[in-house]
This record gives sequence, C-alpha cells and structure tokens, in this order.
Amino acid sequence: AQSVTQLDSHVSVSEGTPVLLRCNYSSSYSPSLFWYVQHPNKGLQLLLKYTSAATLVKGINGFEAEFKKSETSFHLTKPSAHMSDAAEYFCVVSDPSGSARQLTFGSGTQLTVLP
Amino acid sequence: DTEVTQTPKHLVMGMTNKKSLKCEQHMGHRAMYWYKQKAKKPPELMFVYSYEKLSINESVPSRFSPECPNSSLLNLHLHALQPEDSALYLCASSQKSGEGYLGDTQYFGPGTRLTVL
Repeated sequence: AQSVTQLDSHVSVSEGTPVLLRCNYSSSYSPSLFWYVQHPNKGLQLLLKYTSAATLVKGINGFEAEFKKSETSFHLTKPSAHMSDAAEYFCVVSDPSGSARQLTFGSGTQLTVLP
Repeated sequence: DTEVTQTPKHLVMGMTNKKSLKCEQHMGHRAMYWYKQKAKKPPELMFVYSYEKLSINESVPSRFSPECPNSSLLNLHLHALQPEDSALYLCASSQKSGEGYLGDTQYFGPGTRLTVL
C-alpha cells in the first residue's frame, strides 16, 4: 500500500521569501509523484510531475521539487513567493501497480503569503 | 490544450430534485473520473470510467449515478441527495494509453460547487 504525508498543514511566508512545502511518501515500488495546487473554489492544477527521469523536476510558476529516494521525500520549493501563490497544495502519489485507484492524496498544505 | 470543463459552476438543489453535472474533455483521454471534495480535505475518488465503461465505483450511494455517453463526455446524475452531499465535485481525465493507469497524469476540471438544501 502507498501513502503520502504532508508534514505541515499550514505554511506562512512573506512575499519574496522562499517557499518550502514538505512531502514524504511510502510506496513499495518506484512511484510517480505529483504536486497539485488548488486556489479557493477552483479545481486542481498540475504543478509538476516526477516519473523516474531527472530527480529535480521543474514545474510551472517557478516551482520545483526534488525526489530523494533515500529520504522518501518530494518537497516542493520556490525561491521567491508571490501573493498569487497563496493556495492549497496537494502532494500526490500514483499507484505503481497501474490500478485505476490511481492517486493517493496528501492531506494538503495551506500556503499563506504575507505582504 | 489540457482543459477539462465542467458545468454548471454552482448548483443549489433540494433533496427531492433531480439534476445532472456535466464534464467534457477534448484531449482524446480514455479515462475519466469523478471526485468529491469537502472543505479543507483532499478529493475522494467516486467513479472511474475507462473506454466509456465503468471501471471503479467506490461504494458510492445509488443517489449518484454516473454516465459516460461518449469518450469526451461524463455526466453525474443526482437524485434525492442529502445535505451532507454538499461539496465540490471534480471531474478529471487521463490518457490511459496502456492496460493500466501507470504514469498517467490526471487533469482536473474547475469543479461544480453543489449545495443541497
């Protein structure tokens, strides 16, 4: 069975400072990992995806994430936060067995960006 | 284009009403999904369609009835809902190029905000 843990339910940063959203996963096999962002009353938007190619994955809007197998982590970072980054972020692991019950979601991290 | 559209954006219905949610994608994806999302929670999988056939029903009450009329369209028919069914209903699609879903990326629509009175 697979699982994903987002270590912080809330993160607050000042505009222009770095963002770090932490995610640890558990999977029996090499997983696919995703970060999605959800702005208030909106759907989920794919930020980036890891699929066993490069361990450092670049996404949209300046976000990137690094896959560290030894630490079973997939933390999301951005060098400089913008007010528009305020949203809910979900770390997601894809079932490597190829099951239709494909995605296991983390509980989410609410990012607040202070002016 | 990675767009999934959903209509309506908002829906208010009484417990005796019948209504439908609609989802559409034109990416050629052959897997489509319905999720339910309560406030401050991650989405919960309800149904999966693969090649227009129902593949997964996550023990969803029969007052929710999915339908996939063609490869681009997914409906969710609602009847006799309860107030606790109020939530954001999200549709997603993925390519499903092989036998399984390995490596598929799901693309989500904006959701329908449902309120049951």
